[in-house]
Amino acid sequence: GAVVSQHPSRVICKSGTSVKIECRSLDFQATTMFWYRQFPKQSLMLMATSNEGSKATYEQGVEKDKFLINHASLTLSTLTVTSAHPEDSSFYICSARAQFNYGYTFGSGTRLTVV
Amino acid sequence: QQQVKQSPQSLIVQKGGISIINCAYENTAFDYFPWYQQFPGKGPALLIAIRPDVSEKKEGRFTISFNKSAKQFSLHIMDSQPGDSATYFCAAYVGRGAQKLVFGQGTRLTINP
Repeated sequence: GAVVSQHPSRVICKSGTSVKIECRSLDFQATTMFWYRQFPKQSLMLMATSNEGSKATYEQGVEKDKFLINHASLTLSTLTVTSAHPEDSSFYICSARAQFNYGYTFGSGTRLTVV
Repeated sequence: QQQVKQSPQSLIVQKGGISIINCAYENTAFDYFPWYQQFPGKGPALLIAIRPDVSEKKEGRFTISFNKSAKQFSLHIMDSQPGDSATYFCAAYVGRGAQKLVFGQGTRLTINP
């Protein structure tokens, strides 16, 4: 089945630094990947849609300069949280859909803590 | 119109009982309705999904019931087990193209032993 690998699973960084999160589709090519943010006891909030070879599409209210998304290949998308602050602490999850396949597969998530 | 409304927010069921979670949608263009199960600290995992041309789909202890005219669908977990304790999300999207998943608010299910 379709597998999405997300790394790291946990990261702690100092305020003001940047953190990169990787999302890889292991056994399929994903022209589109999605990045979500999830606060405790809440649903997933879509941050942006990552398109291979083109700019990401950000949801309303998401700062594109703070959350940099790069989708350089059909199997890799990265989310970089720039100049991180404690309020950026959250659970970040990526997902992708294999071509011609209706199911969306999610990564295991990244717990970001900014101290 | 893009919303998917899910209820209840939390649910406690005794072991062996039936857990029922309900969802309602507005957008009639949605043509794929998945349910996801999420354990703490993990990403959501696809549990079961249904298309609107089917009224019911069963996989093991999990059943989706779909009412197209009422624009409602529900997840039934039969013989609920403590290992089923998790957060469940219903979702919907338009299957053509890379469409965005629209999630429900989630239901935290606890199965008491």
